[in-house]
Amino acid sequence: ETGVTQSPTHLIKTRGQQVTLRCSSQSGHNTVSWYQQALGQGPQFIFQYYREEENGRGNFPPRFSGLQFPNYSSELNVNALELDDSALYLCASSFPTGGAYNEQFFGPGTRLTVL
Amino acid sequence: QKEVEQNSGPLSVPEGAIASLNCTYSDRVSQSFFWYRQYSGKSPELIMSIYSNGDKEDGRFTAQLNKASQYVSLLIRDSQPSDSATYLCAVNRVRTGFQKLVFGTGTRLLVSP
Repeated sequence: ETGVTQSPTHLIKTRGQQVTLRCSSQSGHNTVSWYQQALGQGPQFIFQYYREEENGRGNFPPRFSGLQFPNYSSELNVNALELDDSALYLCASSFPTGGAYNEQFFGPGTRLTVL
Repeated sequence: QKEVEQNSGPLSVPEGAIASLNCTYSDRVSQSFFWYRQYSGKSPELIMSIYSNGDKEDGRFTAQLNKASQYVSLLIRDSQPSDSATYLCAVNRVRTGFQKLVFGTGTRLLVSP
């Protein structure tokens, strides 16, 4: 069974630039959630994709956008980067079983630094 | 009030002792609860999930849930230096059409040899 993978591992960008982060879900998982984790904080929910559509979003501005592909992999795009966007970006995959009992498994993350 | 609250620590315990990590949550309708372990510079790793009141044991780990008190805890028996990490409590927030995890800020555990 293949776990969640993310690329790239590290990324350095400057303010105003755009970035795309990629995630491949765990085998058999069709739901991908993205989280942002600032230093010393818990992960914060950005959005979730299911069947190629965004089906839930946290308190993040529209310059954070995403995609999910037919193979359930996903991208997170961030436009007009700001210094505060520097964080660990985590992708988590899950398989909805109904109810509220879905376990989410995280990939290794992408460390984004905005200068 | 934060949705999920944890003491940031650090919690220091000697090797072989029991480490007790606590978490409270504010949303009474929450139904599922998770503990993740995160080593420095790494991503969170799921170690326990609990859905019903009471205790759930898995090896050296025991999760405890009290929905009436909105309280979740994690006990680590026979603590080892390799258990030194940040432990994140997460609550599954269910909304129409999707579920999201709401995390506390984590408790840093230090196990000394």
